[in-house]
Amino acid sequence: KQEVTQIPAALSVPEGENLVLNCSFTDSAIYNLQWFRQDPGKGLTSLLLIQSSQREQTSGRLNASLDKSSGRSTLYIAASQPGDSATYLCAVRRGGGADGLTFGKGTHLIIQP
Amino acid sequence: ETGVTQTPRHLVMGMTNKKSLKCEQHLGHNAMYWYKQSAKKPLELMFVYNFKEQTENNSVPSRFSPECPNSSHLFLHLHTLQPEDSALYLCASSQDGAGADEKLFFGSGTQLSVL
Repeated sequence: KQEVTQIPAALSVPEGENLVLNCSFTDSAIYNLQWFRQDPGKGLTSLLLIQSSQREQTSGRLNASLDKSSGRSTLYIAASQPGDSATYLCAVRRGGGADGLTFGKGTHLIIQP
Repeated sequence: ETGVTQTPRHLVMGMTNKKSLKCEQHLGHNAMYWYKQSAKKPLELMFVYNFKEQTENNSVPSRFSPECPNSSHLFLHLHTLQPEDSALYLCASSQDGAGADEKLFFGSGTQLSVL
Protein backbone atom coordinates (compact mmCIF):
# COMPACT_ATOMS: atom_id res chain seq x y z
CA LYS A 1 0.00 0.00 0.00
CA GLN A 2 1.38 3.39 -1.01
CA GLU A 3 2.26 5.72 1.85
CA VAL A 4 3.24 9.35 1.48
CA THR A 5 5.20 11.20 4.17
CA GLN A 6 5.83 14.92 4.35
CA ILE A 7 8.56 16.53 6.39
CA PRO A 8 8.47 18.82 8.26
CA ALA A 9 4.89 18.77 9.55
CA ALA A 10 5.13 22.48 10.31
CA LEU A 11 7.55 25.25 9.41
CA SER A 12 7.77 28.92 10.35
CA VAL A 13 10.30 31.18 8.62
CA PRO A 14 10.84 34.93 8.16
CA GLU A 15 9.71 36.57 4.96
CA GLY A 16 12.24 36.50 2.14
CA GLU A 17 13.82 33.15 2.94
CA ASN A 18 14.13 30.32 0.46
CA LEU A 19 12.73 27.04 1.77
CA VAL A 20 12.35 23.38 0.87
CA LEU A 21 9.45 21.06 1.66
CA ASN A 22 10.02 17.33 1.45
CA CYS A 23 7.81 14.47 0.32
CA SER A 24 8.62 10.76 0.22
CA PHE A 25 6.60 7.81 -1.02
CA THR A 26 7.04 4.09 -0.45
CA ASP A 27 6.11 2.68 -3.88
CA SER A 28 8.15 4.17 -6.72
CA ALA A 29 5.72 2.87 -9.38
CA ILE A 30 3.84 6.14 -9.68
CA TYR A 31 2.13 7.77 -12.64
CA ASN A 32 2.64 11.35 -11.53
CA LEU A 33 3.11 13.51 -8.43
CA GLN A 34 1.20 16.66 -7.67
CA TRP A 35 1.80 19.46 -5.15
CA PHE A 36 -1.21 21.31 -3.78
CA ARG A 37 -1.81 24.29 -1.57
CA GLN A 38 -4.68 24.41 0.93
CA ASP A 39 -5.80 27.51 2.79
CA PRO A 40 -7.70 27.05 6.10
CA GLY A 41 -11.19 25.59 5.60
CA LYS A 42 -10.80 25.65 1.84
CA GLY A 43 -10.29 23.22 -1.00
CA LEU A 44 -7.01 22.38 -2.68
CA THR A 45 -5.30 24.40 -5.38
CA SER A 46 -2.96 22.54 -7.72
CA LEU A 47 0.51 24.10 -7.84
CA LEU A 48 2.67 21.76 -9.90
CA LEU A 49 2.37 18.33 -11.48
CA ILE A 50 5.40 16.21 -12.38
CA GLN A 51 4.93 13.23 -14.66
CA SER A 52 6.82 10.07 -13.75
CA SER A 53 9.14 10.60 -16.73
CA GLN A 54 10.04 14.15 -15.68
CA ARG A 55 12.60 15.40 -13.16
CA GLU A 56 11.22 18.82 -12.30
CA GLN A 57 8.61 21.48 -12.98
CA THR A 58 8.72 25.22 -12.35
CA SER A 59 6.05 27.85 -11.90
CA GLY A 60 7.11 31.33 -10.85
CA ARG A 61 8.86 31.12 -7.48
CA LEU A 62 8.03 27.42 -7.13
CA ASN A 63 10.16 24.52 -8.29
CA ALA A 64 9.28 20.88 -7.71
CA SER A 65 11.67 18.01 -8.30
CA LEU A 66 11.07 14.29 -8.53
CA ASP A 67 13.45 11.38 -7.93
CA LYS A 68 11.19 8.45 -8.64
CA SER A 69 13.74 5.73 -7.99
CA SER A 70 14.40 6.95 -4.47
CA GLY A 71 10.77 7.84 -3.81
CA ARG A 72 11.34 11.53 -3.12
CA SER A 73 10.08 14.92 -4.21
CA THR A 74 10.90 18.41 -3.01
CA LEU A 75 9.04 21.70 -3.35
CA TYR A 76 11.36 24.71 -3.38
CA ILE A 77 9.85 28.12 -2.63
CA ALA A 78 12.06 31.09 -3.43
CA ALA A 79 11.86 34.48 -1.71
CA SER A 80 8.94 33.48 0.53
CA GLN A 81 6.10 35.93 1.16
CA PRO A 82 3.40 36.09 3.88
CA GLY A 83 0.85 35.13 1.21
CA ASP A 84 2.62 31.79 0.85
CA SER A 85 1.35 30.81 4.31
CA ALA A 86 -0.80 27.70 3.86
CA THR A 87 -0.67 23.93 4.12
CA TYR A 88 1.22 22.27 1.27
CA LEU A 89 0.18 18.77 0.28
CA CYS A 90 2.01 16.22 -1.81
CA ALA A 91 0.06 13.49 -3.62
CA VAL A 92 1.00 10.60 -5.89
CA ARG A 93 -1.09 8.86 -8.49
CA ARG A 94 -0.53 5.13 -8.91
CA GLY A 95 -1.69 4.64 -12.47
CA GLY A 96 -3.56 5.87 -15.50
CA GLY A 97 -7.29 5.87 -15.77
CA ALA A 98 -9.54 7.73 -13.34
CA ASP A 99 -7.38 6.84 -10.39
CA GLY A 100 -7.40 8.65 -7.09
CA LEU A 101 -4.42 10.25 -5.44
CA THR A 102 -2.66 9.17 -2.25
CA PHE A 103 -1.89 12.18 -0.10
CA GLY A 104 0.58 13.04 2.61
CA LYS A 105 -0.57 14.84 5.77
CA GLY A 106 0.93 18.10 4.56
CA THR A 107 3.38 20.75 5.76
CA HIS A 108 1.81 23.70 7.56
CA LEU A 109 3.86 26.72 6.50
CA ILE A 110 3.86 30.13 8.18
CA ILE A 111 5.81 33.02 6.68
CA GLN A 112 6.43 35.73 9.26
CA PRO A 113 6.18 39.32 7.96
CA GLU B 1 -12.63 29.68 -8.60
CA THR B 2 -11.57 26.27 -9.85
CA GLY B 3 -14.74 25.39 -11.77
CA VAL B 4 -15.85 22.85 -9.15
CA THR B 5 -18.70 24.01 -6.94
CA GLN B 6 -19.81 22.27 -3.77
CA THR B 7 -22.97 22.91 -1.74
CA PRO B 8 -23.65 23.40 1.05
CA ARG B 9 -20.42 24.90 2.43
CA HIS B 10 -21.38 23.92 5.97
CA LEU B 11 -23.76 21.25 7.26
CA VAL B 12 -24.78 20.25 10.77
CA MET B 13 -26.85 17.11 11.11
CA GLY B 14 -28.02 14.69 13.75
CA MET B 15 -27.24 11.01 13.60
CA THR B 16 -30.76 10.14 12.46
CA ASN B 17 -30.95 12.74 9.67
CA LYS B 18 -30.64 12.17 5.93
CA LYS B 19 -28.85 14.82 3.91
CA SER B 20 -27.04 15.10 0.58
CA LEU B 21 -23.90 16.87 -0.55
CA LYS B 22 -23.78 18.23 -4.08
CA CYS B 23 -20.88 18.79 -6.43
CA GLU B 24 -20.99 20.34 -9.89
CA GLN B 25 -18.09 20.84 -12.26
CA HIS B 26 -18.07 23.29 -15.16
CA LEU B 27 -14.83 22.07 -16.73
CA GLY B 28 -16.13 19.47 -19.16
CA HIS B 29 -14.41 16.69 -17.21
CA ASN B 30 -15.48 13.05 -17.21
CA ALA B 31 -14.02 11.81 -13.92
CA MET B 32 -15.23 12.91 -10.48
CA TYR B 33 -14.08 12.01 -6.99
CA TRP B 34 -15.14 12.26 -3.34
CA TYR B 35 -12.45 12.72 -0.70
CA LYS B 36 -12.72 12.94 3.11
CA GLN B 37 -10.37 15.18 5.11
CA SER B 38 -10.33 14.59 8.86
CA ALA B 39 -8.20 16.46 11.34
CA LYS B 40 -4.60 15.21 11.51
CA LYS B 41 -5.16 12.59 8.79
CA PRO B 42 -4.24 12.58 5.10
CA LEU B 43 -7.02 13.10 2.59
CA GLU B 44 -8.78 9.78 2.03
CA LEU B 45 -10.20 8.79 -1.33
CA MET B 46 -13.80 7.60 -0.98
CA PHE B 47 -15.28 7.12 -4.46
CA VAL B 48 -14.28 7.54 -8.10
CA TYR B 49 -16.64 7.92 -11.05
CA ASN B 50 -15.49 7.87 -14.66
CA PHE B 51 -18.00 8.56 -17.42
CA LYS B 52 -20.78 8.21 -14.80
CA GLU B 53 -19.68 4.72 -13.79
CA GLN B 54 -18.30 4.03 -10.33
CA THR B 55 -14.77 2.72 -10.75
CA GLU B 56 -13.61 2.75 -7.15
CA ASN B 57 -15.16 2.39 -3.71
CA ASN B 58 -12.44 2.63 -1.12
CA SER B 59 -14.14 0.45 1.51
CA VAL B 60 -16.52 3.22 2.47
CA PRO B 61 -19.36 2.37 4.93
CA SER B 62 -22.80 2.03 3.36
CA ARG B 63 -24.10 5.05 5.30
CA PHE B 64 -22.35 7.03 2.53
CA SER B 65 -24.07 6.54 -0.83
CA PRO B 66 -22.72 8.27 -3.95
CA GLU B 67 -24.71 9.12 -7.06
CA CYS B 68 -23.45 10.39 -10.41
CA PRO B 69 -26.39 11.17 -12.74
CA ASN B 70 -24.14 12.72 -15.40
CA SER B 71 -20.52 13.70 -15.88
CA SER B 72 -21.09 17.17 -14.43
CA HIS B 73 -22.84 16.29 -11.19
CA LEU B 74 -21.91 14.17 -8.21
CA PHE B 75 -23.85 13.66 -5.01
CA LEU B 76 -23.04 12.07 -1.67
CA HIS B 77 -26.13 10.91 0.20
CA LEU B 78 -25.71 10.66 3.96
CA HIS B 79 -27.83 8.71 6.45
CA THR B 80 -27.41 7.53 10.05
CA LEU B 81 -23.96 9.06 10.31
CA GLN B 82 -21.71 8.86 13.36
CA PRO B 83 -19.91 11.75 15.11
CA GLU B 84 -16.58 10.43 13.78
CA ASP B 85 -17.87 11.14 10.26
CA SER B 86 -17.49 14.85 10.97
CA ALA B 87 -14.94 16.11 8.45
CA LEU B 88 -14.37 18.26 5.37
CA TYR B 89 -15.73 16.47 2.31
CA LEU B 90 -14.03 17.46 -0.90
CA CYS B 91 -15.13 16.86 -4.46
CA ALA B 92 -12.66 16.82 -7.35
CA SER B 93 -12.73 16.32 -11.09
CA SER B 94 -10.29 15.48 -13.89
CA GLN B 95 -10.53 15.13 -17.65
CA ASP B 96 -10.80 11.35 -17.90
CA GLY B 97 -7.87 9.96 -16.01
CA ALA B 98 -5.96 8.91 -19.10
CA GLY B 99 -3.23 11.54 -19.32
CA ALA B 100 -0.01 11.51 -17.30
CA ASP B 101 -0.18 15.30 -17.13
CA GLU B 102 -3.76 15.32 -15.94
CA LYS B 103 -4.47 17.41 -12.86
CA LEU B 104 -7.22 17.11 -10.29
CA PHE B 105 -9.29 20.20 -9.60
CA PHE B 106 -10.94 20.48 -6.19
CA GLY B 107 -13.99 22.26 -4.88
CA SER B 108 -13.97 24.25 -1.62
CA GLY B 109 -15.54 21.41 0.31
CA THR B 110 -18.46 20.86 2.66
CA GLN B 111 -17.61 21.08 6.36
CA LEU B 112 -19.82 18.45 7.98
CA SER B 113 -20.56 18.23 11.69
CA VAL B 114 -22.50 15.24 13.03
CA LEU B 115 -24.04 15.74 16.46
